[in-house]
Amino acid sequence: DTGVSQDPRHKITKRGQNVTFRCDPISEHNRLYWYRQTLGQGPEFLTYFQNEAQLEKSRLLSDRFSAERPKGSFSTLEIQRTEQGDSAMYLCASSLRQGQEQYFGPGTRLTVT
Amino acid sequence: AQSVAQPEDQVNVAEGNPLTVKCTYSVSGNPYLFWYVQYPNRGLQFLLKYITGDNLVKGSYGFEAEFNKSQTSFHLKKPSALVSDSALYFCAVREVDTGRRALTFGSGTRLQVQP
Repeated sequence: DTGVSQDPRHKITKRGQNVTFRCDPISEHNRLYWYRQTLGQGPEFLTYFQNEAQLEKSRLLSDRFSAERPKGSFSTLEIQRTEQGDSAMYLCASSLRQGQEQYFGPGTRLTVT
Repeated sequence: AQSVAQPEDQVNVAEGNPLTVKCTYSVSGNPYLFWYVQYPNRGLQFLLKYITGDNLVKGSYGFEAEFNKSQTSFHLKKPSALVSDSALYFCAVREVDTGRRALTFGSGTRLQVQP
């Protein structure tokens, strides 16, 4: 049973550029979550999918952020016109329909210069 | 709104001594409570959860936590600390009755176990 995988692990981009991250959940996990973690803080919820439906979105998810899970398997998180304040670790997690605990991937560290 | 407080930025304990990492929460209704651990350059790892039932829950690596509804607390404990337990620990809460799935995390407590 492989864990949650995320790609890339690190991304350095210039302000104003668009970036896209990918998350592959644990197989058979139908729920998928995105969080953002900045240095010295706990993860903050961004959005949640059940299968392909996006059911929850945080106010942190501004218009520049969009997430998709087109076939109910992997998910992508896109940030348009990146800003320096977007620099953070972006974490993906997945869970079973019956399960309450979420299993996290290693994260994608974004640095906006 | 739901929230979590971890009042200690860092906890220092000698190897072999018991450890406690504190967590208090706030929700409107009933909580689901979780502890996660984060090692350097690795993702969050699930340790244990309280859903319902026995207030004392046992988890991975010998950790346990006690749910106290009157004090709205969910402190993490271990009878005998190991140097390898040194890591960043996060408490998280989710409110049961709203149907929302988002976890709210505390700011984390760094545990340092000295040999």
